[in-house]
Amino acid sequence: KQEVTQIPAALSVPEGENLVLNCSFTDSAIYNLQWFRQDPGKGLTSLLLIQSSQREQTSGRLNASLDKSSGRSTLYIAASQPGDSATYLCAVVTGANSKLTFGKGITLSVRP
Amino acid sequence: EAGVVQSPRYKIIEKKQPVAFWCNPISGHNTLYWYRQNLGQGPELLIRYENEEAVDDSQLPKDRFSAERLKGVDSTLKIQPAELGDSAVYLCASSSWTLSGTSGYNEQFFGPGTRLTVL
Repeated sequence: KQEVTQIPAALSVPEGENLVLNCSFTDSAIYNLQWFRQDPGKGLTSLLLIQSSQREQTSGRLNASLDKSSGRSTLYIAASQPGDSATYLCAVVTGANSKLTFGKGITLSVRP
Repeated sequence: EAGVVQSPRYKIIEKKQPVAFWCNPISGHNTLYWYRQNLGQGPELLIRYENEEAVDDSQLPKDRFSAERLKGVDSTLKIQPAELGDSAVYLCASSSWTLSGTSGYNEQFFGPGTRLTVL
């Protein structure tokens, strides 16, 4: 059974800092990995999707990397801003059923 | 282009009452998902539809939960009767297959969710 872990559960950083959010998964036979952002009381916004054949994806100040063999992904946020404060969830698809298995998320707070 | 639409956004009911949630996916997306998210947890899949067909409902508590997607577009998730432990956010997502090179992927897009409180 696939398990996704995100540690720590919460992170607080000063504005402008570059930061890395970690995600690990137990079954390396994934189809793809998605990073989502969730604001309080809101749904999930897809940030980046990395296919199993890819090593990284970039969108603006965000860069996500994937190391399938070690079961790890990182989300790099450059020059963090208070508006980046949210919960960031990592999820993987294992198997052809396209079911996403989520971690519990990392709640990020960027202090002005 | 409109995203995934869900209604209602909030629902408060007493235990043993019925409740229904509605979802309209992104136009052209033939795969629709219902997830449940408990406080402090990631979402967990309840049911997945490919067009009108429920292809994965193994996590759906079938004694009280039911779902339908009659015309392969919008979908309804129902709970009857609701229990205290059903309090959660119910999220709908949709996707379509995107070909990329020799393979492809399903990128899932989520609606805003329905926050259910059972008293």
